[in-house]
Amino acid sequence: DIQLTQSPSFLSASVGDRVTITCRASQGISSHLAWYQQKPGKVPELLIYGASALQSGVPSRFSGSGSGTDFTLTISSLQPEDFATYYCQQLKSYPYTFGQGTKLEIK
Amino acid sequence: EVQLVESGGGLVQPGGSLKLSCAASGLTFSGSALHWVRQASGKGLEWVGRIGSDADTYATTYGASVKGRFTISRDDSKNTAYLQMNSLKTEDTAVYYCTRLERSFYYDSSGYGYFYYMDVWGKGTTVTVSS
Repeated sequence: DIQLTQSPSFLSASVGDRVTITCRASQGISSHLAWYQQKPGKVPELLIYGASALQSGVPSRFSGSGSGTDFTLTISSLQPEDFATYYCQQLKSYPYTFGQGTKLEIK
Repeated sequence: EVQLVESGGGLVQPGGSLKLSCAASGLTFSGSALHWVRQASGKGLEWVGRIGSDADTYATTYGASVKGRFTISRDDSKNTAYLQMNSLKTEDTAVYYCTRLERSFYYDSSGYGYFYYMDVWGKGTTVTVSS
């Protein structure tokens, strides 16, 4: 199985900050990676697919990059509604594993 | 609008069984691959399994923690997918989400193919396994 490791697991930041979350795969997955945002008590929502393609309706302050084993999710200027938990997921091969999550909190 | 609505969750004793349903609307159901993802309280997301579309001959795949105990099926005439859970364990306690797997074609210097992603999620149904 392909393991995904996100870092950091917890991140404290302020409104307006630029933040980056990293996701590392245990083996190469080309660009078969998606990012999701989950707010407390809510359903996960798709942000990015294909490592860098922005899902329709997602603000342009979100961006993704990477290929192979190393990927990043960047939020260019944090907004109050961005404080949530973020998950990466590989969709290269079954099982479609998720990273352990990164909780983004308000500083 | 595409919608997925899960139902069937509840309290069950260890060793018991439960069958979840995922009712879909707003999509071509037979052509859609559906996945189940679960989340224990305060924990991360765990992929449970999937059932492919008619083009994929309704193939099923399962995560290691549920393989042999859980079975995913579908009834295209009812636009509904199911997750049959047997031999339940306390560690199966979680919110269970039904999701649609969508795909996007790509063509670049490395070749061509599809990127897959879970673009529609149901609100989830809660399963509690406890004596």
